[in-house]
Amino acid sequence: VQLVESGGGVVQPGRSLILSCAASGFTFRSYNMHWVRQAPGKGLEWVAVISYNGGFKYYADSMKGRFTISRDNSENTLYLQMNSLRAEDTALYYCARELSAFDIWGLGTMVTVSS
Amino acid sequence: QAGLTQPPSVSKDLRQTATLTCTGNSNNVGNQGTAWLQHHQGHPPKLLSDRNNKRPSGISERFSASTSGNTASLTITGLQAEDEADYYCSAWDSSLNIWVFGGGTKLTVL
Repeated sequence: VQLVESGGGVVQPGRSLILSCAASGFTFRSYNMHWVRQAPGKGLEWVAVISYNGGFKYYADSMKGRFTISRDNSENTLYLQMNSLRAEDTALYYCARELSAFDIWGLGTMVTVSS
Repeated sequence: QAGLTQPPSVSKDLRQTATLTCTGNSNNVGNQGTAWLQHHQGHPPKLLSDRNNKRPSGISERFSASTSGNTASLTITGLQAEDEADYYCSAWDSSLNIWVFGGGTKLTVL
């Protein structure tokens, strides 16, 4: 059972970035999936969730309208489209599986928003 | 969005018992169950207890979770050096339709 994030990097304020999370070892299409982030020196912050079939999506207030969570169950991949990035979006972004909580986590991918 | 409230730090001696608390409201902790995660920096968080206060496979019986009203607790018995970490609580908020995290408690084992 594994989650592997990718797509992080350094990006200028106002630009966009797409993160991916490749799942393996379990039936991806059966689980709700999340993005959670941790800014340097800060605690964990929930970003967004998507249901197992993409039927519902919810976002933290500070990401609403800027971030879009999506998934491709045929490719066992979770995505996070991040637009209008701000310095305060600088963080390690994790994807996590939901089984009555966040039971499986990836290692994370670092996003740095800086000019 | 208000999060859950956790004390920033707790210090306990080796082999003692630590009880970490997490306070929310009736829309999250009080009615939706609270998960607990352990986070060692440089590693991904690890789930210690799910929303039903059940330990995932492989988690030591030294970790136990409970809830009373709008406050959830994680009790760690027989503290070991490797228990020194950050601990986070998290719950689904049924009013806001979001997951909320506590600010985290840094546990120091003396």
